[in-house]
Amino acid sequence: KAGVTQTPRYLIKTRGQQVTLSCSPISGHRSVSWYQQTPGQGLQFLFEYFSETQRNKGNFPGRFSGRQFSNSRSEMNVSTLELGDSALYLCASMPGSVETQYFGPGTRLLVL
Amino acid sequence: DAKTTQPNSMESNEEEPVHLPCNHSTISGTDYIHWYRQLPSQGPEYVIHGLTSNVNNRMASLAIAEDRKSSTLILHRATLRDAAVYYCILRVISSGSARQLTFGSGTQLTVLP
Repeated sequence: KAGVTQTPRYLIKTRGQQVTLSCSPISGHRSVSWYQQTPGQGLQFLFEYFSETQRNKGNFPGRFSGRQFSNSRSEMNVSTLELGDSALYLCASMPGSVETQYFGPGTRLLVL
Repeated sequence: DAKTTQPNSMESNEEEPVHLPCNHSTISGTDYIHWYRQLPSQGPEYVIHGLTSNVNNRMASLAIAEDRKSSTLILHRATLRDAAVYYCILRVISSGSARQLTFGSGTQLTVLP
């Protein structure tokens, strides 16, 4: 099976812009979670989607949002970008009933 | 989720065993012990998990203390490819529980040739 794919892999934006990142989970996986990784804060949970519904959300401002489509693909959006949003954004998928999470390679976002 | 404590860094020689410790003194009876690792420029990768008994898989072994307040991830023969940050994470597994992973700072493992 193909692994979790994330697009784009690298992205440069300027402050105030918005960005959309995409994640395609492993075929058959219904749960998609998003994480942000920065040198200062480490890996932090953003949100989880299961069957198109947000099931859980981390402690991030409302500028961070996401959605999941009927084919389980997920997108996350960050509006009004700030310099501190520069990070590696990781997506992880899970079958739905098993706890092992399978991570993608991430999208590295740089905000200038 | 309960907190885990790991050394910031460890070194090992190639082809020697590596024992990565993790303390979790506030672990509850329903917490599973998970290990993930993150190789450079990659997303985290599942390594192993267990509840009470020691566990083995093709990647590693997990030794869990009898009181479950600590555990050790064992890489039997370290290779250069094993150089990564290793995360010890406690997770409750139940249908109603949140499923996110709470990562600490992990242990940076350096493997010397």
